[in-house]
Amino acid sequence: NAGVTQTPKFRVLKTGQSMTLLCAQDMNHEYMYWYRQDPGMGLRLIHYSVGEGTTAKGEVPDGYNVSRLKKQNFLLGLESAAPSQTSVYFCASSYSKGVSNQPQHFGDGTRLSIL
Amino acid sequence: SQQGEEDPQALSIQEGENATMNCSYKTSINNLQWYRQNSGRGLVHLILIRSNEREKHSGRLRVTLDTSKKSSSLLITASRAADTASYFCATDASSGGSNYKLTFGKGTLLTVNP
Repeated sequence: NAGVTQTPKFRVLKTGQSMTLLCAQDMNHEYMYWYRQDPGMGLRLIHYSVGEGTTAKGEVPDGYNVSRLKKQNFLLGLESAAPSQTSVYFCASSYSKGVSNQPQHFGDGTRLSIL
Repeated sequence: SQQGEEDPQALSIQEGENATMNCSYKTSINNLQWYRQNSGRGLVHLILIRSNEREKHSGRLRVTLDTSKKSSSLLITASRAADTASYFCATDASSGGSNYKLTFGKGTLLTVNP
C-alpha cells in the first residue's frame, strides 16, 4: 500500500497564480486533513473533511479552498497565491472509530514557494 | 491556538543515553498522541495514550500522562543516531465535537550524536 501520496512534491509559483495540491490515500479512511508547517509554528490545520462530499474549515483556512469529490482524494486549492502561503503542506488521513481520535497517517509533503 | 507545547525545543544527547521530552496542554482531552518527523518527511505516529491511562510502552518508547497536571512525557531509552528527528505531541479536545481533529505542538528537535 502506498498510504498517503501527495503531488507535486515541490512547486514554485508567482504571486497571483493558482494551483491545486492533490492528496490521495488508499486506506479507505473517512477523515482527511490539510496542514501547513512553518518554521517555529508547528503544524496548523487548514481544512479537513469527515467524509466524501464534506469539508470544514480548520485553524487557518483563509486563501485556500478544498474539495472531497471522492473518498480517496482531498484537493487543496490556492486561487491567488501570496508570499505568505510559502510553506510545506501536509495531507493526512485517519479512520473513524467511535468518538476518540485515531492516529493520522501523513504524506511526505509539498514544498511550495511563492515569489 | 496551540493546545500542546513541547519542552525542550531542542535536545542533544549521545548515542545510548535516554531522551525525555515533555508536553503540556490546556484543555481536557480524550487522548494524546506522539509523532516523529524525520527531516524532509511527513509525520509518523508513534504512540497514543488515552485520558484514562497513565503509562504506555512501545519498544524503547515510554509515554506517561498526568491529566491533573495536563502534561505528558515521552522517554526514548538507549537512543540511536536514527532517533534524530523532531517529536510532536498532539491532542484532541474532549468536548465541542472535536474528536476528529488534532492540535499539534511546535515540536522538540532531538539530535542523537554517534
